[in-house]
Amino acid sequence: DAGVIQSPRHEVTEMGQEVTLRCKPISGHNSLFWYRQTMMRGLELLIYFNNNVPIDDSGMPEDRFSAKMPNASFSTLKIQPSEPRDSAVYFCASSLQGGNSGNTIYFGEGSWLTVV
Amino acid sequence: EDKVVQSPLSLVVHEGDTVTLNCSYEVTNFRSLLWYKQEKKAPTFLFMLTSSGIEKKSGRLSSILDKKELFSILNITATQTGDSAIYLCAVSNFGNEKLTFGTGTRLTIIP
Repeated sequence: DAGVIQSPRHEVTEMGQEVTLRCKPISGHNSLFWYRQTMMRGLELLIYFNNNVPIDDSGMPEDRFSAKMPNASFSTLKIQPSEPRDSAVYFCASSLQGGNSGNTIYFGEGSWLTVV
Repeated sequence: EDKVVQSPLSLVVHEGDTVTLNCSYEVTNFRSLLWYKQEKKAPTFLFMLTSSGIEKKSGRLSSILDKKELFSILNITATQTGDSAIYLCAVSNFGNEKLTFGTGTRLTIIP
């Protein structure tokens, strides 16, 4: 079975541009997470969805960030307008709530964003 | 707010040495503690611990949880260069699915 699939893998964009990151969770998983990783702050949860519904978005840094999950197999994280301090690796992850794996979540390979 | 603190932040040892990585936590309504290994890309799952005193083992890696003292350790024996990575500790609580991560321990194994 394919793992979590993210795109793009790398993105370099100019400050002020809109950035859209995409994620396809593992088939059958019902929870999806967006994390951001930087050297300074480590892995931070931005938002997570359960059954396509946003449950906790308290980690979303500000209104420039938004996330959607229109169906069980697709989610987007959008930054508009982007700023240099948004440069980070953005990971999408998924899990099966209620499964025997407990809270084990599985990560995609990340989208490496650089805003210049 | 849930909190995870890992130590040391970084560690450099010679191949063949044994290392112990530490993770302490504060979490409301604790459910589980997880260890992940991150090399160049995505974190990959190592262990999930839910009960105190029960060692989880996989090859040269092992981990144990102490729910009274609120910490876990990850041991790696006979280290190899392929063990070089960032090791992440995370906790979860009942009531939601999210994991709260520590900042990780960067382990470097010198040949």
